[in-house]
Amino acid sequence: SAVISQKPSRDICQRGTSLTIQCQVDSQVTMMFWYRQQPGQSLTLIATANQGSEATYESGFVIDKFPISRPNLTFSTLTVSNMSPEDSSIYLCSVEETADSPLHFGNGTRLTVT
Amino acid sequence: AQSVTQPDIHITVSEGASLELRCNYSYGATPYLFWYVQSPGQGLQLLLKYFSGDTLVQGIKGFEAEFKRSQSSFNLRKPSVHWSDAAEYFCAVGPYGGNEKLTFGTGTRLTIIP
Repeated sequence: SAVISQKPSRDICQRGTSLTIQCQVDSQVTMMFWYRQQPGQSLTLIATANQGSEATYESGFVIDKFPISRPNLTFSTLTVSNMSPEDSSIYLCSVEETADSPLHFGNGTRLTVT
Repeated sequence: AQSVTQPDIHITVSEGASLELRCNYSYGATPYLFWYVQSPGQGLQLLLKYFSGDTLVQGIKGFEAEFKRSQSSFNLRKPSVHWSDAAEYFCAVGPYGGNEKLTFGTGTRLTIIP
């Protein structure tokens, strides 16, 4: 299966700042997704990163807060903008290698906002 | 609306003992079911999946799961746990070929005692 590298693995940021998380895959994949895992909770889909076009956001998530890029079939970034302590979470990149294949996940970025 | 319930937030078992983690789902069509495991500081790793065929599916690390349509369940089992199985386990349900519509359960944290 695809090898997913996510950076940074963790960060501590001050409120009001922004952090960009990178997700690199070692092969071309059809779909890339970004999830949030809040403390003690399950995974919530933020958006689908579309190659060459704007991301598709889920209800409750907006582009101004979570801008996403996907310039090619192996790379995507998620930015958490104007952070507040409520943004403290694990952010996970996941990929679908081919249509109908299950999701594979990166190791996540543990973000703490102070 | 689809949903996943993992009734057990935390389970403790002795090393070498058998394990069963419960998962109940609600889904209006034929479900595509998954179990993922998340070790501390790691992303999610796919243990097994089920869409059709034999209702007893084998996964990695000696895990298996049984699909019971009449009970809307997809419980995960292992005959003898190892200390390395200590982790968080997530059940997920969605449509076949529709990873952007996956719903994850809230997870079951497994602790292994010597």
